[in-house]
Amino acid sequence: EPEVTQTPSHQVTQMGQEVILRCVPISNHLYFYWYRQILGQKVEFLVSFYNNEISEKSEIFDDQFSVERPDGSNFTLKIRSTKLEDSAMYFCASSGLAGEKTQYFGPGTRLLVL
Amino acid sequence: AQSVTQLDSQVPVFEEAPVELRCNYSSSVSVYLFWYVQYPNQGLQLLLKYLSGSTLVESINGFEAEFNKSQTSFHLRKPSVHISDTAEYFCAVSDGSSYKLIFGSGTRLLVRP
Repeated sequence: EPEVTQTPSHQVTQMGQEVILRCVPISNHLYFYWYRQILGQKVEFLVSFYNNEISEKSEIFDDQFSVERPDGSNFTLKIRSTKLEDSAMYFCASSGLAGEKTQYFGPGTRLLVL
Repeated sequence: AQSVTQLDSQVPVFEEAPVELRCNYSSSVSVYLFWYVQYPNQGLQLLLKYLSGSTLVESINGFEAEFNKSQTSFHLRKPSVHISDTAEYFCAVSDGSSYKLIFGSGTRLLVRP
């Protein structure tokens, strides 16, 4: 069964450093998402991406964040200058055809900013 | 703005007992409802969904949920739980105007022998 994969599973970085989190969505899916879950809190929407552009973003997704689909398979989330409060589990998700509401999630990347 | 409420942060239950995990959402013209499960140290797995049609939806491992428009609820039930059902369960909603999912705060189901 096709699944969303994410790398790395864990990342530790120093405050102020740039991190790139990688995702490989399900191959025929068209919509891609990033969510985050700070320890003990809700899963929060960050951004959605379709047709090579951002279709929606939350207030959390400020100028420090960017997303990219550099090739036909990868979908990345970049945090330019990490802050302590960026420590969280980051989930990538994808969904299929236009109007398809069901999102399939990857296993997540746990980011720890020191 | 759309919101989801899961009133119970933790539900302890004995093995083979029935369980209900509650989920309420704020009203909207059209909603799409989901339950995701997160086992310890794992990601979010889709458990079941309501998109349209029959208001009672079932998963392959015995869970079911019923969409109740008048009560704006989508409670998750299982008639007999197993130890392996111990996990965090998240209710999520999407409305017709957006693709993003709005999650509840989660309910930790703890099944005891």
